[in-house]
Amino acid sequence: NAGVTQTPKFRILKIGQSMTLQCTQDMNHNYMYWYRQDPGMGLKLIYYSVGAGITDKGEVPNGYNVSRSTTEDFPLRLELAAPSQTSVYFCASQRAGGHSNQPQHFGDGTRLSIL
Amino acid sequence: LAKTTQPISMDSYEGQEVNITCSHNNIATNDYITWYQQFPSQGPRFIIQGYKTKVTNEVASLFIPADRKSSTLSLPRVSLSDTAVYYCLVVFSSNTGKLIFGQGTTLQVKP
Repeated sequence: NAGVTQTPKFRILKIGQSMTLQCTQDMNHNYMYWYRQDPGMGLKLIYYSVGAGITDKGEVPNGYNVSRSTTEDFPLRLELAAPSQTSVYFCASQRAGGHSNQPQHFGDGTRLSIL
Repeated sequence: LAKTTQPISMDSYEGQEVNITCSHNNIATNDYITWYQQFPSQGPRFIIQGYKTKVTNEVASLFIPADRKSSTLSLPRVSLSDTAVYYCLVVFSSNTGKLIFGQGTTLQVKP
């Protein structure tokens, strides 16, 4: 099983450019999440989705947008890249969220540098 | 929301048992305690989860006292490949499964 797949693995952007980070999962999970991880720190939640057509903000949503048109895909969009968005981005999925104790499954991340 | 506190770093030697303790004083009645492991350049990986007493799987054991204000992850006979960052998290029962990550504990296993 592929699990959670993120593309690209690495990317360098210029300030003001836009891009979409792709995330797809093949486990038919309802819940999906986007996190960012700055050097030496834990992960911070950007956006999450509880199912197709439903998204909500996490802890650090400014500068990002998401969509969830299918169960499998949960792309993250950066509209006007800023140096503060240099980070490693992780996508995760979960069979059921809320009070469920199901673990989250993470992709291997996208390393993004804004110069 | 329950905040977790764990040591920033720990050192160990191959073959030793490693115990990492986490405090979560404000844990709520229905919350779970969960541990993730993260290797460099990889996403976190679920290790173990528990609610109370002791949980054991093929990778680790999790000890939770009756008051649930702390928990201890036990890794038996560590090897060099166990060098990683270990995160203790409280999974909140009242929201959408959001995970609040702290800085984690960087475990360095030496030969």
